[in-house]
Parts: sequence; structure tokens; C-alpha cells
Amino acid sequence: EPEVTQTPSHQVTQMGQEVILRCVPISNHLYFYWYRQILGQKVEFLVSFYNNEISEKSEIFDDQFSVERPDGSNFTLKIRSTKLEDSAMYFCASSKTSGSTGELFFGEGSRLTVL
Amino acid sequence: GENVEQHPSTLSVQEGDSAVIKCTYSDSASNYFPWYKQELGKGPQLIIDIRSNVGEKKDQRIAVTLNKTAKHFSLHITETQPEDSAVYFCAAGGGGADGLTFGKGTHLIIQP
Repeated sequence: EPEVTQTPSHQVTQMGQEVILRCVPISNHLYFYWYRQILGQKVEFLVSFYNNEISEKSEIFDDQFSVERPDGSNFTLKIRSTKLEDSAMYFCASSKTSGSTGELFFGEGSRLTVL
Repeated sequence: GENVEQHPSTLSVQEGDSAVIKCTYSDSASNYFPWYKQELGKGPQLIIDIRSNVGEKKDQRIAVTLNKTAKHFSLHITETQPEDSAVYFCAAGGGGADGLTFGKGTHLIIQP
């Protein structure tokens, strides 16, 4: 069964460092997303990406965040200068149709720990 | 924007009993209501969803009901089994925004 894969599964970084989280969405999906889950809290929408551009972003997704689809398969989330409060589990998701009305397939997440 | 409230935060039931988790939403334009199950160390996985043109949907032991007037929807799990133990999230979407808005989750514990 096709699945969304994410790397790394866990990354520890120092405050102020840049981090790149990587995702390989399901191959025939057109919509890509990043969500964040701070430990014990709800899953929060960060950004959606369609047709090689950001289609929507939340208030959390400030200038420190960026996304890219550098080739036909990878979808990355970059945090330019990490802060302590960026510590969370980051989930990549993809869908065939817009994720607000169709099934989202989530990866297993990348846990980011900022020290 | 959309706001989704979910209750209870923790639910413990005896194996074989039923479990009900309830959610409310604020944006009357939302028209898609999925439920996700998250097992420890894994990403959320869709278990059932309902659209606003339907009041109830059932899939084996799992059912979801939607009351658009009251803006609430519920997940019902019957004949609970140990493998049902997980965190369950409700979500709302389709109100013009791309992303889903999730509830805070319910930790369902099935007691043997």
C-alpha cells in the first residue's frame, strides 16, 4: 500500500540552527501539507502546497518557515532559525484532492527537539 | 476561522462496551468531518468521514453522526476491542480553507 514517508524520524538541534525535514508524498497525489503536533496537544495546520506553490498557510507558518518541492518526489519543510517552541512532531500529508474535503494520508512524523 | 472542540479528553471503557466521542465546530461553511486514529509513535490515520449532505455513516463497528443545525458530530465505536486503544481526533474542513482544523484529541483506553 502506498504511504507517505518522512525523514528523519527524530532530529535534535541547537536553538538558532537551520533544520530541513523531508517527505516523500504518495506518487499520484497532488496536494501536500505540513502539520505540527506539540506534545500532548492537537494537530495544527501549517501549510498546504499545490501546483508548485503555497496555496495556504497558517499564522504559525511565519518567515522562519519555508517549503519546497525540489524535484518530482520530495517535499521539504525548512525552519531557518529554530526556537525552543518549534519542538514538536511534524507530520507531512498528501491527498489526491484538496485535503479540506478529501482523505489526507499522513506520514509517521519527524520529531524535532530544539535545545 | 474554524474552531473544533472535542470531548472527553480521556475515555476509559470496558472491552465490549461502546465508546462515544463528541465534537463541535464553529464555521457553518465546513462540510467535511473526518475522524483520525493515532497510535503511539505513528501518524494519524483516517478511520471514517462524513460530509454535510449525510446525517449518519456506518462502517462495521464504527459510526459517525452529524447534526449540522447544532454544529456537532460524534464518533461511536461499538463492541470495543483492545486494538481500539489510541488517540482519536475529529476534524472539520471545506469551509474555504485548505487545511483541516483538528480537535484536541481523545485518549481512548479499552480496559480488558
